[in-house]
Amino acid sequence: DAEITQSPRHKITETGRQVTLACHQTWNHNNMFWYRQDLGHGLRLIHYSYGVQDTNKGEVSDGYSVSRSNTEDLPLTLESAASSQTSVYFCASSEIVAGANEQFFGPGTRLTVL
Amino acid sequence: GQNIDQPTEMTATEGAIVQINCTYQTSGFNGLFWYQQHAGEAPTFLSYNVLDGLEEKGRFSSFLSRSKGYSYLLLKELQMKDSASYLCAVLDSNYQLIWGAGTKLIIKP
Repeated sequence: DAEITQSPRHKITETGRQVTLACHQTWNHNNMFWYRQDLGHGLRLIHYSYGVQDTNKGEVSDGYSVSRSNTEDLPLTLESAASSQTSVYFCASSEIVAGANEQFFGPGTRLTVL
Repeated sequence: GQNIDQPTEMTATEGAIVQINCTYQTSGFNGLFWYQQHAGEAPTFLSYNVLDGLEEKGRFSSFLSRSKGYSYLLLKELQMKDSASYLCAVLDSNYQLIWGAGTKLIIKP
């Protein structure tokens, strides 16, 4: 069965360290997204990609970067982790952009920055 | 700015009916989604509305009024497993999903 996985599921790091969160999907979807979810906020878009070599900034992209070298993977890098980046991070993918473009979500990564 | 409002928390009784409201103000509209999210898990798709009216899918129905910037999710014959957060999201003019903060639904026996 097709799926979307994230690793690690939990991560504790220190302020200033570089951290990379992995996202891998086997849906063969062109569109991939990274969100963060914080209490009291809706999901907020960090970065997204509509295909290989395509990356775009979302609403809260400062301090984050992504790269898309193949269809399956969209790793998210925190350049220099800050306590404000403590959050739950979700990766998602979708087949199309418009219309009933259901997004399929990974299980999430809980990141704590101390 | 863009804004989606939904109640923070609601409580209902097993077997009853509950309606979760969502109002939105966004730059453009290309559809409204409802997702379910159990605690500690990923969101999963429930429904999509792009035209005014009611869409029914089993025990769940979703309604949309574009002129009022309003939607609701109706859950019938509530079961304990329906205890979850329900997320409203609008696809804006740039085809980006704008998400509400979610409504936590508590089901009591």
